[in-house]
Amino acid sequence: DGGITQSPKYLFRKEGQNVTLSCEQNLNHDAMYWYRQDPGQGLRLIYYSQIVNDFQKGDIAEGYSVSREKKESFPLTVTSAQKNPTAFYLCASSFWGSEAFFGQGTRLTVV
Amino acid sequence: AQKVTQAQTEISVVEKEDVTLDCVYETRDTTYYLFWYKQPPSGELVFLIRRNSFDEQNEISGRYSWNFQKSTSSFNFTITASQVVDSAVYFCALSEAPDTGNQFYFGTGTSLTVIP
Repeated sequence: DGGITQSPKYLFRKEGQNVTLSCEQNLNHDAMYWYRQDPGQGLRLIYYSQIVNDFQKGDIAEGYSVSREKKESFPLTVTSAQKNPTAFYLCASSFWGSEAFFGQGTRLTVV
Repeated sequence: AQKVTQAQTEISVVEKEDVTLDCVYETRDTTYYLFWYKQPPSGELVFLIRRNSFDEQNEISGRYSWNFQKSTSSFNFTITASQVVDSAVYFCALSEAPDTGNQFYFGTGTSLTVIP
């Protein structure tokens, strides 16, 4: 089945540790996105990518990094520079003018 | 400036009541797309509808209907005869032309609670 897959569903990070969230899509979409959602709040854009090997910062890119080496994959690394990383992270993909398809999300908690 | 505004943060209705969720957007593009998504407690965003800027025809899908008015830059969503399963957070979103990055701009969401 076509779709977008995020893993893991739950992730625990120690202080000062980098962690990588996985996002894979088999929809042949050109564009991929990472959003952060805090409790009771909307979606804030972290990074997005229109094509392979190219990506742009969103509104809250500080403390995060991404790569887009393959069309299907857009992993997000939460670095130790991100001081408050506990949140719900959503990955999405789309064609332009079409709806974005979302993964099931990853809940990241700092322990 | 916020491109998509959902002024209603939380709404509670009693089952079977009708409810309208408001969405106001801002763009200078003539070609753009508007969307509504539902986020149930599980967290995944579920796509409900897409509208392009050239199609102002209202749409009805079962108990759901959407009213798109360019004159007021609004894209409101009405649920008729609400049910408990409609309880969720609803997001309105805007997508502009590709040369602006093909971003989706989301509103802050409206949390709907349907009371049995």
